[in-house]
Amino acid sequence: EAQVTQNPRYLITVTGKKLTVTCSQNMNHEYMSWYRQDPGLGLRQIYYSMNVEVTDKGDVPEGYKVSRKEKRNFPLILESPSPNQTSLYFCASSFGTSGSFSSYNEQFFGPGTRLTVL
Amino acid sequence: GEDVEQSLFLSVREGDSSVINCTYTDSSSTYLYWYKQEPGAGLQLLTYIFSNMDMKQDQRLTVLLNKKDKHLSLRIADTQTGDSAIYFCAENPYSHGQNFVFGPGTRLSVLP
Repeated sequence: EAQVTQNPRYLITVTGKKLTVTCSQNMNHEYMSWYRQDPGLGLRQIYYSMNVEVTDKGDVPEGYKVSRKEKRNFPLILESPSPNQTSLYFCASSFGTSGSFSSYNEQFFGPGTRLTVL
Repeated sequence: GEDVEQSLFLSVREGDSSVINCTYTDSSSTYLYWYKQEPGAGLQLLTYIFSNMDMKQDQRLTVLLNKKDKHLSLRIADTQTGDSAIYFCAENPYSHGQNFVFGPGTRLSVLP
């Protein structure tokens, strides 16, 4: 089954304790992205990756790191989490830059990770 | 900059039609999208419309696009309790490459 998986689905942690949220897709997608969802703000992009070893900042990258060593995986790293990073996080992927800008482009989303930082 | 706006809440009675509205600022998007988020789940693509179309119909869903006013709407006919969800409007501006700009989402509540 074509899917994007995230782990863990739920996480409660304390300020300053490093954590990693994993994301994996089995659709051979080039493009992957991380979003956070907060009430009334919709989805805000944290980081994205156009391909292996190519990552770039989104709209709200502060306090986050990512890596893209393999095509299928795109982990989100919080080196020193703070309470304002309490949120619902989504990973997404899509076919990437091989298409033209006029192509229809669907992003496939993971189920989400609810993070609480105390 | 690019911005997508939606009202945050909508309540309808079961069997009525729902209309969710969206305005966007960047007219370079070739496609505009509607995503649905059910409780406890990720977003799923519901439908999309090509920017040179005015209307697209897909079973109970009708998408209307007014490119001059940069206004997109999603109409759900015969709304059911299973349609209760958050609906996100999204655009994919040319300047953003593969990146999407999402609206804040409209929470649709369907009352029995």
